[in-house]
Amino acid sequence: EVQLVESGGGLVQPGGSLRLSCSASGFTFSSYAMHWVRQAPGKGLEYVSAISSNGGSTYYADSMKGTFTISRDNSKNTLYLQMSSLRAEDTAVYYCVKGDIAAAGIAEYFQHWGQGTLVTVSS
Amino acid sequence: EIVLTQSPATLSLSPGERATLSCRASQSVSSYLAWYQQKPGQAPRLLIYDASNRATGIPARFSGSGSGTDFTLTISSLEPEDFAVYHCQQRNYWPPTFGGGTKVEIK
Repeated sequence: EVQLVESGGGLVQPGGSLRLSCSASGFTFSSYAMHWVRQAPGKGLEYVSAISSNGGSTYYADSMKGTFTISRDNSKNTLYLQMSSLRAEDTAVYYCVKGDIAAAGIAEYFQHWGQGTLVTVSS
Repeated sequence: EIVLTQSPATLSLSPGERATLSCRASQSVSSYLAWYQQKPGQAPRLLIYDASNRATGIPARFSGSGSGTDFTLTISSLEPEDFAVYHCQQRNYWPPTFGGGTKVEIK
């Protein structure tokens, strides 16, 4: 069974940084692209970023470029999202999502989601 | 970026009634559209992919239709567990984009 468990969320001040982690199990982590999708309170879903199975390719939604960095450690079955220069608008639940192919940069449907971790940006 | 517009924002219905939800794309996405169900405090669950194909384990009361720019999710007879928020998502263009959601609430 695919399991994705996010951690690292919390309260951070505007301009601060935070690193989210996603621990994966139940599948061969190194064979699949991984994604981050976020959801602001009471709002819809917003795509954030993708990384290819070997970590060699990364993609970001335009509004996230330059402030978010996606990475992965296949030896630890873990996905990361480093967030910097955080703003109130970045307040959201961040979901880790498994891809169904190895390549990133190809839009997919999303079958397997973690439960999400809440990031709150506030002074 | 493809914009998906869902309507209505809220649908108030009673158990047993038929629900019809709409998703309109800012340009054609062919049939590359999915629907998700999300309950409070939970992650989204994939219901329909490629406009009309039910995902594994999804009951037959859920059906999807449409192509190009106009898509519909139909729930033929609402069960108590179907009251939730429904999102559409396109995968024809990068980045994948989602609609704003339709909340199906108990009348």
